[in-house]
Amino acid sequence: GNSVTQMEGPVTLSEEAFLTINCTYTATGYPSLFWYVQYPGEGLQLLLKATKADDKGSNKGFEATYRKETTSFHLEKGSVQVSDSAVYFCALRGGSARQLTFGSGTQLTVLP
Amino acid sequence: EAGVAQSPRYKIIEKRQSVAFWCNPISGHATLYWYQQILGQGPKLLIQFQNNGVVDDSQLPKDRFSAERLKGVDSTLKIQPAKLEDSAVYLCASSPTLAGGQYNEQFFGPGTRLTVL
Repeated sequence: GNSVTQMEGPVTLSEEAFLTINCTYTATGYPSLFWYVQYPGEGLQLLLKATKADDKGSNKGFEATYRKETTSFHLEKGSVQVSDSAVYFCALRGGSARQLTFGSGTQLTVLP
Repeated sequence: EAGVAQSPRYKIIEKRQSVAFWCNPISGHATLYWYQQILGQGPKLLIQFQNNGVVDDSQLPKDRFSAERLKGVDSTLKIQPAKLEDSAVYLCASSPTLAGGQYNEQFFGPGTRLTVL
């Protein structure tokens, strides 16, 4: 079945540091890949997505590239801010399945 | 536009008691999902509705969990009786229906945090 493996946290960075959160997946067919973010006290929000190999999703300075050869979708940001502190979830939607399969989440804390 | 509403936000019960959660999706969204998020894990789909019909409930523990969406709008998820391992955040999400089977972004509510003692 489908599965998503995420870099374990928590991750603590200083403001303006470079961020990478690793995500790899196992799926049949050609899944779509997503990053969701959950700010404290709020629901999950879609951060970015990529629907086919070599696509790059981007939003709010975050980027992730769909790498089929390495089955990865790592999240990156060049300069994090305190307001980026949240839990980040990698997810996939495989083939004709309607459901999302989530990773376990990575807690990011950015210190001023 | 109002988001997905859930209540209550927090609930503490003792094992073997019953509990119900309520969700009101974004207006016009035909698809509604209930997820269970255990601490330290990602959300796991429990049940998916399309209007008032069940699309997928393969991961719903039907001996104790039930859900309904009678009028195709809001929904309730019930646990009866609760077990210690049911302690989790229960998330509701909704999505619009698009033509052609394209991906419909899911919009999540803030969740209900359940603690079973």
